[in-house]
Amino acid sequence: GQNIDQPTEMTATEGAIVQINCTYQTSGFNGLFWYQQHAGEAPTFLSYNVLDGLEEKGRFSSFLSRSKGYSYLLLKELQMKDSASYLCAVRGGTRGGYNKLIFGAGTRLAVHP
Amino acid sequence: DGGITQSPKYLFRKEGQNVTLSCEQNLNHDAMYWYRQDPGQGLRLIYYSQIVNDFQKGDIAEGYSVSREKKESFPLTVTSAQKNPTAFYLCASSIVGGGGTDTQYFGPGTRLTVL
Repeated sequence: GQNIDQPTEMTATEGAIVQINCTYQTSGFNGLFWYQQHAGEAPTFLSYNVLDGLEEKGRFSSFLSRSKGYSYLLLKELQMKDSASYLCAVRGGTRGGYNKLIFGAGTRLAVHP
Repeated sequence: DGGITQSPKYLFRKEGQNVTLSCEQNLNHDAMYWYRQDPGQGLRLIYYSQIVNDFQKGDIAEGYSVSREKKESFPLTVTSAQKNPTAFYLCASSIVGGGGTDTQYFGPGTRLTVL
């Protein structure tokens, strides 16, 4: 089957660093996405990895290991506004030419002062 | 401003009624998608369309219908056949090109509650 696992909840302190892990088992792999979603709002795109290694974008970095079926999102210098859910999504095997996105349930991050 | 709009933001309906959720984009994206989000679950794909006048069922299409008569618009109808329609509905769009360039971008969502 196809499965994406993320921790349900995490807490961290303002100014600290937090790592949100994502493991996946999918029938195909054509890229991994991270989205941020504040409560009641739309998911917003954070990062995309298709090759192994680290992609850095300001305070956010995302890492991928395809052989391990593993990714993480690293958030540095945490701010209160980073309190949100973080969704891991894998673009899996094709379906009639369409590379389907499979979403994890999301990790709810709470940042405390 | 380019983006995706969904209306209304909150929608209430009585059991047995059909209801249509609007999704419009001015990003010139070819592909559009409808997802459903329930607490504690990942987004699940209802329908998607990669080109005008064509659409495909996703994982949970039963009880839903769509149309794609214009590139900019992809309305979703939740019919009375959908057994558990109360959820947060998200529309997304993307280009069709492969790689990271076909990232899906989401609208603000419609929260549907069946009374």
